Amino acid sequence: ETGVTQTPRHLVMGMTNKKSLKCEQHLGHNAMYWYKQSAKKPLELMFVYNFKEQTENNSVPSRFSPECPNSSHLFLHLHTLQPEDSALYLCASSPSWREGLEQYFGPGTRLTVT
Amino acid sequence: GENVEQHPSTLSVQEGDSAVIKCTYSDSASNYFPWYKQELGKRPQLIIDIRSNVGEKKDQRIAVTLNKTAKHFSLHITETQPEDSAVYFCAALMDSNYQLIWGAGTKLIIKP
Repeated sequence: ETGVTQTPRHLVMGMTNKKSLKCEQHLGHNAMYWYKQSAKKPLELMFVYNFKEQTENNSVPSRFSPECPNSSHLFLHLHTLQPEDSALYLCASSPSWREGLEQYFGPGTRLTVT
Repeated sequence: GENVEQHPSTLSVQEGDSAVIKCTYSDSASNYFPWYKQELGKRPQLIIDIRSNVGEKKDQRIAVTLNKTAKHFSLHITETQPEDSAVYFCAALMDSNYQLIWGAGTKLIIKP
């Protein structure tokens, strides 16, 4: 499969559950991103990885834990989430994080916390 | 903190008419301004971008203008078509940490 893929596409979890979101890019990019998209709000950048190294953590609560084992894969581990964490979580990649270059988005994971 | 304001939040135009979406940014050092389109249920995709060394860029029916002095940039869509219906996001690249700061989006509705 080409581009950026995300699994699962939909996830419903209770506040005490632990789950993980997976993102994979087949574009040979060096930078990967996690965004949170809530209705009628700007995209919120959560984490940035460049060459597997985390470059940004925008004051994201510790109940969200990213992992980047290599330049092609990015995970977001979730635990003890709150209902307000329900949103669309988008993964993106780009050739480099330092330059203004196109970000390629995955289809997103629609997360519902009950 | 730095932010990008986007207006209007919803825009309804008659098919064939033009649509204009405006964004204002706060970081005077920003030098890259992309526009993304997100159709219902789909991922955001880049449609056009502009860098601070130019004032205008066109690609067929889409154009973007940049006024660095006023710190605002706009998306212009001419001869709108039903497939232009989507949410459009503007963004500005912060020079300090290379992060994109996003606008809240404009829902564009093309009326037949």
